[in-house]
Amino acid sequence: DTAVSQTPKYLVTQMGNDKSIKCEQNLGHDTMYWYKQDSKKFLKIMFSYNNKELIINETVPNRFSPKSPDKAHLNLHINSLELGDSAVYFCASSQGGTGGLTDTQYFGPGTRLTVL
Amino acid sequence: GNSVTQMEGPVTLSEEAFLTINCTYTATGYPSLFWYVQYPGEGLQLLLKATKADDKGSNKGFEATYRKETTSFHLEKGSVQVSDSAVYFCALRPRGSNYKLTFGKGTLLTVNP
Repeated sequence: DTAVSQTPKYLVTQMGNDKSIKCEQNLGHDTMYWYKQDSKKFLKIMFSYNNKELIINETVPNRFSPKSPDKAHLNLHINSLELGDSAVYFCASSQGGTGGLTDTQYFGPGTRLTVL
Repeated sequence: GNSVTQMEGPVTLSEEAFLTINCTYTATGYPSLFWYVQYPGEGLQLLLKATKADDKGSNKGFEATYRKETTSFHLEKGSVQVSDSAVYFCALRPRGSNYKLTFGKGTLLTVNP
């Protein structure tokens, strides 16, 4: 069984379009995250939700909007896509508050977004 | 602020060679430290972790020791295999934080037969 899954795996779209990436975890975790990995493999956190509540919101354009319908899902919606949004987006989850010092994040397989 | 500095790659080794990937960090207090590995075309997997000074994390023949005095968490393996070819990320999570991981820039390791 896949612990953290993302759809789609690949997404190719035109500039200006709106697109969504979905993430689901079946680990029973309370906290979920979105990371962006650029072409040089640099990973940076974008958002984090704990029990459907936003707890981390890094400096990300407001064209990016996360939505958590329940604690097992965290979707990422992107409006007015730009060339610079091309990257691999990773979803992750962790136990969060009860995980303590050893709280471990589990990552999904990634969604490669290409904006043309 | 918090930051992680890893040695720049790429690193190319022959099978059975000794591996060291250096990682140093800057953080307030005593963070938890992690090594993640990303195999080609896949997501990140936790390789090992340590939560306090002098802890040694180990997994799959890889080891790293949390050195508070040098603020380091270097990754080592005595004998690499072709299947170890991947990108390795060092990361920290500050104590008492809201679980945000700060990653280093990653080090690409290629092991040749």
